Amino acid sequence: DVKVTQSSRYLVKRTGEKVFLECVQDMDHENMFWYRQDPGLGLRLIYFSYDVKMKEKGDIPEGYSVSREKKERFSLILESASTNQTSMYLCASSFLITEAFFGQGTRLTVV
Amino acid sequence: AQRVTQPEKLLSVFKGAPVELKCNYSYSGSPELFWYVQYSRQRLQLLLRHISRESIKGFTADLNKGETSFHLKKPFAQEEDSAMYYCALRRTQGAQKLVFGQGTRLTINP
Repeated sequence: DVKVTQSSRYLVKRTGEKVFLECVQDMDHENMFWYRQDPGLGLRLIYFSYDVKMKEKGDIPEGYSVSREKKERFSLILESASTNQTSMYLCASSFLITEAFFGQGTRLTVV
Repeated sequence: AQRVTQPEKLLSVFKGAPVELKCNYSYSGSPELFWYVQYSRQRLQLLLRHISRESIKGFTADLNKGETSFHLKKPFAQEEDSAMYYCALRRTQGAQKLVFGQGTRLTINP
């Protein structure tokens, strides 16, 4: 069974803080993704990574960066959190013909 | 560019009625399309993918390249089908970028 684990279910941060969201997968998948999920807007791709240290911007990368130093771990970084980054963040992983497997989500509130 | 559009944010039907959730896409290459579902308090999970051509939980979806659509259908809705449904497109050229539509919340009324 593929496991995609996000480090926190709920997170509350202050405006201007640097925030790290962590995601780990245990199936040696090449591809990893970060999305934000907002009502009415669906899942919007922030960044994805197709190999260690390789990344590509998604549709809404502004205000975010990512890090993939090891294959199993993909971190999303909010350089200076703002209230409009309050959202549900979903991590996923996939490999070649497999479907994407999702984590349980991190609900981030920026106050 | 790859893009997925789900025109209906909300869809409400009665139990036993047919259901159709619409999905349109734009992609210059040959697409790989999926439907994902998220039940209440559960993770997003795959429902079906166009290459498998199978029916899952009574749902089917046909890829129509001429109309660039991948609508999800079920002839007789059940209450347990109430969920959030997302259509997704995976790029088949280069890195496997996966993008989703805006989602449709399906409610099945008893």
